[in-house]
Amino acid sequence: SYVLTQPPSVSVAPGQTARITCGGNNIGSKSVHWYQQKPGQAPVLVVYDDSDRPSGIPERFSGSNSGNTATLTISRVEAGDEADYYCQVWDSSSDHPYVFGTGTKVTVL
Amino acid sequence: QITLKESGPTLVKPTQTLTLTCTFSGFSLSTSGVGVGWIRQPPGKALEWLALIYWNDDKRYSPSLKSRLTITKDTSKNQVVLTMTNMDPVDTATYYCARPAVREYYFDYWGQGTLVTVSS
Repeated sequence: SYVLTQPPSVSVAPGQTARITCGGNNIGSKSVHWYQQKPGQAPVLVVYDDSDRPSGIPERFSGSNSGNTATLTISRVEAGDEADYYCQVWDSSSDHPYVFGTGTKVTVL
Repeated sequence: QITLKESGPTLVKPTQTLTLTCTFSGFSLSTSGVGVGWIRQPPGKALEWLALIYWNDDKRYSPSLKSRLTITKDTSKNQVVLTMTNMDPVDTATYYCARPAVREYYFDYWGQGTLVTVSS
C-alpha cells in the first residue's frame, strides 16, 4: 500500500514559519489533505486538495505539492498552532484508499 | 449543522467482538455521494483508516483488517455501525467516525472519538 512519511517533529519560534513535509512516491500526482490535531481532540481539516483552506482556517496555513513531496506551511506561527499534523491522500489504485501520514509534532518554542 | 458521535464500550476483553455506533445528524446517508468512515488512533500513534460505507452501500475496508471488520448503515436511524472481531490489546485506540466531503476523499467532519481499551 501507499506510504506517506513525515518528520516526527518540527520546532519553530513564534512569528516564524513552520514547514511540514509529507513524502510519497509521485505524491505530486495526488491530492493531499492536511489535518491538525491538538491533544485530546479530534483532527481538524486545515488544507484540502493540496492548497485549499476550509472556511475558518487562517490564511497562515498554506500547502503545496510537487514531485515526491507535499508541504504544509504555517506562517507567523502562534502558540495555538502547537499540535500534531497529519497528511492524507486517496490512493485510487490501492485496496487501502485512505492513507494517512506518520504525523508531525509541531512545537512552538 | 453536521455532527457525528461515537458510542460503544470503553473496555473489551481479548478475543471479544467490538461494536461501535456512529450517530450523525445534519446529513443523510441516503443522499448520493455521501459516506461515513471509521479511523482509529492508538495512544501516542498515528491515525489509521479502517473502513468506509457509502450511500449506495458500497463498502471499503483496510486490507490488513478486512477479515475482522464489518461496516453497516441504518439510514432511518442515521447510524453507521462498525464491528471488529477477535479484539487484541494492540487494538486499544481512540476510534473516530468521520464524514468525507461529498464526492471527495478527505474528511471534513469528525466525531469526538471514543477510547476503547482491550484488556482482560
